[in-house]
Amino acid sequence: NAGVTQTPKFRILKIGQSMTLQCTQDMNHNYMYWYRQDPGMGLKLIYYSVGAGITDKGEVPNGYNVSRSTTEDFPLRLELAAPSQTSVYFCASSRYPGQMSANEKLFFGSGTQLSVL
Amino acid sequence: GIQVEQSPPDLILQEGANSTLRCNFSDSVNNLQWFHQNPWGQLINLFYIPSGTKQNGRLSATTVATERYSLLYISSSQTTDSGVYFCAVVNSNYQLIWGAGTKLIIKP
Repeated sequence: NAGVTQTPKFRILKIGQSMTLQCTQDMNHNYMYWYRQDPGMGLKLIYYSVGAGITDKGEVPNGYNVSRSTTEDFPLRLELAAPSQTSVYFCASSRYPGQMSANEKLFFGSGTQLSVL
Repeated sequence: GIQVEQSPPDLILQEGANSTLRCNFSDSVNNLQWFHQNPWGQLINLFYIPSGTKQNGRLSATTVATERYSLLYISSSQTTDSGVYFCAVVNSNYQLIWGAGTKLIIKP
């Protein structure tokens, strides 16, 4: 059982380039999330999805796009990379939404460290 | 929106010491969680604790929802406890709002 898998682990982009961060989960979770973590800060929600075909903006969606064509996959797209998007990105999934119980955890991928130069 | 503040921002302790980390939140919540991020960046759930007290080995947590704070206790610290500890609460849109974390360094 792989859990949440993110690729790539590291990436360096030039300003204006585009890329897609991949995220896959094999737990049949409906809820998936993309967060960014800036140095010395907590995580901020970029986008989330409550099921295939349904996505919504989080706290910091500008400069990003997502899609959810299947339950398993939730890719994050950066169209025109900017230095402000230098961050560590985490994908996560859960069976239920934010009101998780003690037995329903939020599962995280291992993160993608992105630098935009 | 809900604000989450953690203190202290940094904490350096010798192995074997005890510590208390605090999380204050600005509005009533019915979901609060503590996470540990290890030095390699991996995020692990520690506690789901909207109220009351829970213990897991050397770690315990207490949330006083009416006073809008939660405490994480670490006893007999080990070097493997190093990392960043986050608390996060759920807002009315079911989104997790995270504090900035407490960076804990345990020296051998």
